[in-house]
Amino acid sequence: DGGITQSPKYLFRKEGQNVTLSCEQNLNHDAMYWYRQDPGQGLRLIYYSQIVNDFQKGDIAEGYSVSREKKESFPLTVTSAQKNPTAFYLCASSKGAGYGYTFGSGTRLTVV
Amino acid sequence: AQSVTQLGSHVSVSEGALVLLRCNYSSSVPPYLFWYVQYPNQGLQLLLKYTSAATLVKGINGFEAEFKKSETSFHLTKPSAHMSDAAEYFCAVTRFNAGNNRKLIWGLGTSLAVNP
Repeated sequence: DGGITQSPKYLFRKEGQNVTLSCEQNLNHDAMYWYRQDPGQGLRLIYYSQIVNDFQKGDIAEGYSVSREKKESFPLTVTSAQKNPTAFYLCASSKGAGYGYTFGSGTRLTVV
Repeated sequence: AQSVTQLGSHVSVSEGALVLLRCNYSSSVPPYLFWYVQYPNQGLQLLLKYTSAATLVKGINGFEAEFKKSETSFHLTKPSAHMSDAAEYFCAVTRFNAGNNRKLIWGLGTSLAVNP
């Protein structure tokens, strides 16, 4: 079955470390998105990509980086510049405006 | 610009009672509207969507929503709540003629508690 796979499900980061969250989809969707979710703050857009080899900053891109070298993959790197990275991270993809998004199951990142 | 307001960050109902979760939107062009559900530590799942066809939309798990242009609303309802409905619910909007701009604008969510 088609879907989006996020890994790992839980991730622990030490202070000053960069970590990369994986997002892979086999839905043949062009658009992919990364969101950060904190309690009471809803979904905040970090980065999005409408097509391979192109991506745009969302509302809270500082301290994060992405790449889109393949249609299927949209990894997110949380850099040491992100001062408060502990959160639940969600990846999504979309076929088009009227279809909505398909979400992965999320990665919970904790700074230790 | 589009925006979404979900009235009530927390809603509590008794099992078997009507569920009503409110969503109002702002859009200068005809919108696409969505409701998603999120269970703890999981991703979001599409409940239903409005894309300019029927104004009363039926979704999964017995939920439905009615698009009311005059009220700019897209409230989510379920006639009889079940314990398994306890979750976070998100309303979202995107533009009808979005072209390459496919971003969804999200409400802050409503946490639904179902009491036995």
